[in-house]
Amino acid sequence: EAQVTQNPRYLITVTGKKLTVTCSQNMNHEYMSWYRQDPGLGLRQIYYSMNVEVTDKGDVPEGYKVSRKEKRNFPLILESPSPNQTSLYFCASSLGAPMNTEAFFGQGTRLTVV
Amino acid sequence: LAKTTQPISMDSYEGQEVNITCSHNNIATNDYITWYQQFPSQGPRFIIQGYKTKVTNEVASLFIPADRKSSTLSLPRVSLSDTAVYYCLVGDIRDSSASKIIFGSGTRLSIRP
Repeated sequence: EAQVTQNPRYLITVTGKKLTVTCSQNMNHEYMSWYRQDPGLGLRQIYYSMNVEVTDKGDVPEGYKVSRKEKRNFPLILESPSPNQTSLYFCASSLGAPMNTEAFFGQGTRLTVV
Repeated sequence: LAKTTQPISMDSYEGQEVNITCSHNNIATNDYITWYQQFPSQGPRFIIQGYKTKVTNEVASLFIPADRKSSTLSLPRVSLSDTAVYYCLVGDIRDSSASKIIFGSGTRLSIRP
């Protein structure tokens, strides 16, 4: 089954404790992205990757890091989480640029930073 | 990316046909219209994409008039499970530099029994 898998689904952590949210896709897609969704602000892109070892900033990259060492994986790293990073996070993948082709989204990771 | 305007919310009843209209007055010649659906606490899901006239799939129909300044997503015989937020997006699908999807506020559709 074609899917984007994020882990964990839920995470509560404390300020400053490094964490990684994993994302994996099994569709051999080139493009992968991370979004965060907040009430009243909608979905905003954090980082994206057009291929292995190619990543770039989205609209809200501050406080986040990503890496794309393999085509299928695109982890999101919060080196020193802060409460303003409490949000619902989605990973997405697509064969081509997201507006060109159907984008597939993961089930989401709800992160709470206390 | 062209700006889109959709109703903030809509209500309907099970078994009814629901039409959600999206305005995109400054749509460009090469732009396509795409709709996504998002259930609470889930990731958005692609529904349908079109350029002109009518497109139909197993989930919905998309009607686009000749001037393409608006489009209508039609959901036939809705059920409670169609309660979701629906996003209308407009962009050039041939633009390989379009690295992200810009979601607007969407339309929150509530279906009642």
